[in-house]
Amino acid sequence: QSVLTQPPSVSAAPGQNVIISCSGSSSNIGDNYVSWYQQLPGTAPKLLIYDNNQRPSGIPDRFSASKSGTSATLGIIGLQTGDEADYYCGTWDTSLSAHVFGTGTKVTVL
Amino acid sequence: QVQLVVSGGGVVQSGGSLRLSCAASGFTFNIYGMHWVRLPPGKGLEWLAYIRSDESATYYSDSVKGRFTISRDNSKSTLYLQMDSLRPDDTALYYCARNTGSGFSPGDRWGQGVLVTVSS
Repeated sequence: QSVLTQPPSVSAAPGQNVIISCSGSSSNIGDNYVSWYQQLPGTAPKLLIYDNNQRPSGIPDRFSASKSGTSATLGIIGLQTGDEADYYCGTWDTSLSAHVFGTGTKVTVL
Repeated sequence: QVQLVVSGGGVVQSGGSLRLSCAASGFTFNIYGMHWVRLPPGKGLEWLAYIRSDESATYYSDSVKGRFTISRDNSKSTLYLQMDSLRPDDTALYYCARNTGSGFSPGDRWGQGVLVTVSS
């Protein structure tokens, strides 16, 4: 059972925007950097965001993220059919001395 | 180019052992911490273990602590995961990933994943 909670699913039409939330606690999100990952079916996870809001090279600026207190959010602007995937937040948990992933959110493009 | 290639997966009986390898190339392996992550069928990502670049420390999830051992050979640019006392719920796709950023999180490069199936 994950210590980071995400909505199971979000959906929107192409071109619309979506937001995915990630709720944690003072020992994980509140104390450490947050990353976000996209996993397309049958492929390895892909890093979308690291250090709360930084995009690796090659990740379009349609993806953005923020952190406030013990919660984080990932935003996708101008949803595309290729964005249909599972999305996970992740961070270190200082109390557990372990990395934790969120429960995962399935994004569906209607 | 940066590449992580995972090998060693397969089918094993409950209680058995398996060792995964993750061969790195295209980057300076010995300055990066490394992670193992798995994806059980029908479930979400699960972090397993992390090892610092200089092997000075290792960390494990509670689900594998005492059964799995992460190690590395910087002279061979290779990461390992020794898995003992395997159980059916260890069945999953296993990935290695290099650390990225200021914290301890799997980052911008992942191996292709190998399937480990534990039969009862």
